[in-house]
Amino acid sequence: SQQGEEDPQALSIQEGENATMNCSYKTSINNLQWYRQNSGRGLVHLILIRSNEREKHSGRLRVTLDTSKKSSSLLITASRAADTASYFCATDAGNYGQNFVFGPGTRLSVLP
Amino acid sequence: GAGVSQSPRYKVTKRGQDVTLRCDPISSHATLYWYQQALGQGPEFLTYFNYEAQPDKSGLPSDRFSAERPEGSISTLTIQRTEQRDSAMYRCASSPRREGTGELFFGEGSRLTVL
Repeated sequence: SQQGEEDPQALSIQEGENATMNCSYKTSINNLQWYRQNSGRGLVHLILIRSNEREKHSGRLRVTLDTSKKSSSLLITASRAADTASYFCATDAGNYGQNFVFGPGTRLSVLP
Repeated sequence: GAGVSQSPRYKVTKRGQDVTLRCDPISSHATLYWYQQALGQGPEFLTYFNYEAQPDKSGLPSDRFSAERPEGSISTLTIQRTEQRDSAMYRCASSPRREGTGELFFGEGSRLTVL
């Protein structure tokens, strides 16, 4: 079974709006990562947040991590049509093992 | 190389045939991963290598699946006696770190169709 579960499964917004996606996981982690995938292409790393961090920013991206709730959120501000993609969270299963586990993803559509 | 390269990009085979997929990771990257991704789903872990060692192959669906990385660089994923349920995108990723704390760099994938 997958460690991470993204919510919602699909999200449709207008260009310029903010998009928020959530990820919940089951077991302790050392870090959590977010990836983007455009139309079946390869996944692209967006941001990594460690278990001792609560918030991280990268350009228009903001990631939060709440280890007590075993959840993370990805916020994309001022969205653009080019942000249309699937977004996945990935966790490391908490044992410094390298079995990175991906959730089923959130499919984001940004309408012009 | 400049990025992770996978070949072939597309493979169509008949049920019962063996197929081998190849991954050329970013040079000097220590760790190499294989994932299977069904349409509309997230990648599912198959196995990984630290250089030539293969510490975890728990995700391989059956003994028909095997992977190698004999010289710690290029890797192959072989599926013997393919079945229709093996149809999927197979993705390779590499990472510069051995500790599992770094980002993964993915290739474009190999799409396998078993008829």
